[in-house]
Amino acid sequence: GESVGLHLPTLSVQEGDNSIINCAYSNSASDYFIWYKQESGKGPQFIIDIRSNMDKRQGQRVTVLLNKTVKHLSLQIAATQPGDSAVYFCAEAYSGAGSYQLTFGKGTKLSVIP
Amino acid sequence: GAGVSQSPSNKVTEKGKDVELRCDPISGHTALYWYRQSLGQGLEFLIYFQGNSAPDKSGLPSDRFSAERTGGSVSTLTIQRTQQEDSAVYLCASSFLLDGYTDTQYFGPGTRLTVL
Repeated sequence: GESVGLHLPTLSVQEGDNSIINCAYSNSASDYFIWYKQESGKGPQFIIDIRSNMDKRQGQRVTVLLNKTVKHLSLQIAATQPGDSAVYFCAEAYSGAGSYQLTFGKGTKLSVIP
Repeated sequence: GAGVSQSPSNKVTEKGKDVELRCDPISGHTALYWYRQSLGQGLEFLIYFQGNSAPDKSGLPSDRFSAERTGGSVSTLTIQRTQQEDSAVYLCASSFLLDGYTDTQYFGPGTRLTVL
């Protein structure tokens, strides 16, 4: 059944502040990483991706940092807005051996306080 | 403990034909997702079924694409009048819901669609 009694980790930030959402991945061979945003009742929305040959990539108001040494990924959102309130989760992908394996991590709920 | 299964594993079709792709989610998972991955591209979200709620169809690329989920379990993705740009691997995933959002998603092996 459902994971009754368990809740997503929550990050609360003031509108206008910067947000940092962290993710630990498991496979040191993963070579592609993606951040998704999911709003209530909707499917995942692609935010930004990064390949393992990079350690930083910037988008519009978002930056992804990759630390392969400790298998850590973070998403930074600048000047957080109420519309950023959602669950954010990372995904790691391994494209070796002719197959494509994608693993989603558990999400973090971002709540923006107006 | 069967995982997510998809059929067929490979489908080759001619341009203009209709195709149906099937997904059997993990029993008990209330959320079901369809994605596709074109060659060299990232994962593209297509459609999301959450329990008995109306599906989020915002990712469907055109009205030639439709999906159903019968009885809260099996889902079929239908592509009408296939085009060559529809060629991709179509992935299905299912999950429990946690606080109304997706818990860990479990993916099927995918269906590789080739439109000639």
